[in-house]
Parts: sequence; C-alpha cells; structure tokens
Amino acid sequence: KNEVEQSPQNLTAQEGEFITINCSYSVGISALHWLQQHPGGGIVSLFMLSSGKKKHGRLIATINIQEKHSSLHITASHPRDSAVYICALARGGSEKLVFGKGMKLTVNP
Amino acid sequence: DTGVSQNPRHKITKRGQNVTFRCDPISEHNRLYWYRQTLGQGPEFLTYFQNEAQLEKSRLLSDRFSAERPKGSFSTLEIQRTEQGDSAMYLCASSHNGQGGKLFFGSGTQLSVL
Repeated sequence: KNEVEQSPQNLTAQEGEFITINCSYSVGISALHWLQQHPGGGIVSLFMLSSGKKKHGRLIATINIQEKHSSLHITASHPRDSAVYICALARGGSEKLVFGKGMKLTVNP
Repeated sequence: DTGVSQNPRHKITKRGQNVTFRCDPISEHNRLYWYRQTLGQGPEFLTYFQNEAQLEKSRLLSDRFSAERPKGSFSTLEIQRTEQGDSAMYLCASSHNGQGGKLFFGSGTQLSVL
C-alpha cells in the first residue's frame, strides 16, 4: 500500500467552479506539502502544513492529523490553474519527502 | 534571487555512457535535494545535502549514481554506465532552514538513454 494516496487522479472542471483535491496518508508525518507542477516539469511549492489551515489567494489547504487527510481547495477556478497537484509527506528525522502520484486538473474556459 | 538552475535541460545518451548533471541552488540555501521523476509518477527522493555534507541517500541511488556538493554551493549528479531504466526527469530543489522547509525546484534535466 502506498504511503500517500491522492484522489481523484484526474479532474476536469469549468472555469469558476470550486475544486477540492484530496490527499490521504497512512504514516506519521511532521508536515505535508502541496505542490503544483506545470507541463514541462516546473514544480512550485504551494503550502507546507503541520496542522490546521492555510490560505493564499484563491487556494486553501487544510490538514486533519488525526484522520491523516489533507485537502487543497481552489476557489473561482481559472484555466491557468490547470496543472498537476501533488501532495508530499515529510516524516520526522528525515529530509526525504514522499510524493503522491499527483492529480491532473484541467479547467476549461 | 534567480531561482534554482539546472543544466542541461535535456540530455540524450547511449546506454553505457556516463552523464553528469549540474544544479545551482538559490545562493543562501544550505539544503539541496535531488529527485527523480518518471512519467505519470510523483518525484522520488534520491539524496540530500546540508551544506557540503551528503546526509541522506535513497536505496534508489545505486553504486552507478554519485552526487557531490563540494563547496556547499552547486551540486553535481553523475550516472555511470547508464541504462535505459535511468531515463527520467532529474529534479533539484533547495531550501533554507529559516523558510520552514519550503522547497524551491529547478526545471529539471530530462535524460533519455537510447
């Protein structure tokens, strides 16, 4: 069983829709990262969470440590949000991040 | 801040050849990471440096792989006797202790082994 699972694997939405991307994990963590990867490889770090909720612009990330679950929400989605969204786990005592496979989001105009 | 720079962007090589990739992190970042990513998968951790010290290595990093960060600034990743299974995107990332672990990624080097 993978340590980190993302769902759905692919999502197509219309511009303006509210989008939720889920990440579940099965191990103890010190932090969880949400990252965005555009075609061509470039990865951008969006959030690092160890508890609660963070907000940046139209993006909101939440984490429930007890339930081992995190969500990334995109409000008022836009075609430029089209990308692969990846969650990654940081475990105490290691600098290694364990990445999920990512979720490909397509936002149509 | 010019970001994390990786060279080359693309490398095509024949099986059995050696290749070397370079990563220049953001200048004040003391932490540097190498990851490998294949199509449809998330990145996989290869190795981590704090300053010039290589502190963690993945089991994925076979004896054909070696990484260095001699002066605690740029890093090189060398693959000897390349195999077709080495074809992947090789990503470098850096961070600074004071940034709470936020990673900054380079654009990667796409390796194709023929």
